[in-house]
Amino acid sequence: ETGVTQTPRHLVMGMTNKKSLKCEQHLGHNAMYWYKQSAKKPLELMFVYNFKEQTENNSVPSRFSPECPNSSHLFLHLHTLQPEDSALYLCASSQISRGESYTFGSGTRLTVV
Amino acid sequence: DAKTTQPPSMDCAEGRAANLPCNHSTISGNEYVYWYRQIHSQGPQYIIHGLKNNETNEMASLIITEDRKSSTLILPHATLRDTAVYYCIVRVAKYGGATNKLIFGTGTLLAVQP
Repeated sequence: ETGVTQTPRHLVMGMTNKKSLKCEQHLGHNAMYWYKQSAKKPLELMFVYNFKEQTENNSVPSRFSPECPNSSHLFLHLHTLQPEDSALYLCASSQISRGESYTFGSGTRLTVV
Repeated sequence: DAKTTQPPSMDCAEGRAANLPCNHSTISGNEYVYWYRQIHSQGPQYIIHGLKNNETNEMASLIITEDRKSSTLILPHATLRDTAVYYCIVRVAKYGGATNKLIFGTGTLLAVQP
């Protein structure tokens, strides 16, 4: 397995459910990111983790809770979501440097019913 | 990070070169120009980046004007699989910290026509 892997690919959940999105990178990178992409909107940066430490929370509601147990894994824990949270959730990783590039996963398509 | 301006959409005939423009008139001396693309409902894919000089790789060429206020991404022989949204992003070339975040705009939807 290479690159950035996200599971599940699709998720349907009720507003009272608790679920988690998983991201794993096999690139030896030291930074990981969560992005949200709603229909017809640009990608929105949600969280940034550098060396397992959260360095950016872009005013994300507390019903989204990230976790980075090590530099290869990133989770997004979801609880009491709203229908407007339905979106494509993308994970990315990079090796911090002056001119690094990001590698993105294929995303999790989340539908909140 | 400096703002970028891109046309919302462009068409290109299959087999021809696709030239995607980007304006970044407020770019600073320490900011890179990055290009990514996103094929429908997939994660964005890195294409190329540059600071001052023109760059070329197996996917594309990046031409940056001498004053660095605009750039052009060139796909030399566009195929139907190049149909995607192309993002031009300007980002500080600085090690680590909060400066390593990548902020996407609305991009250019390139439609390659058969």
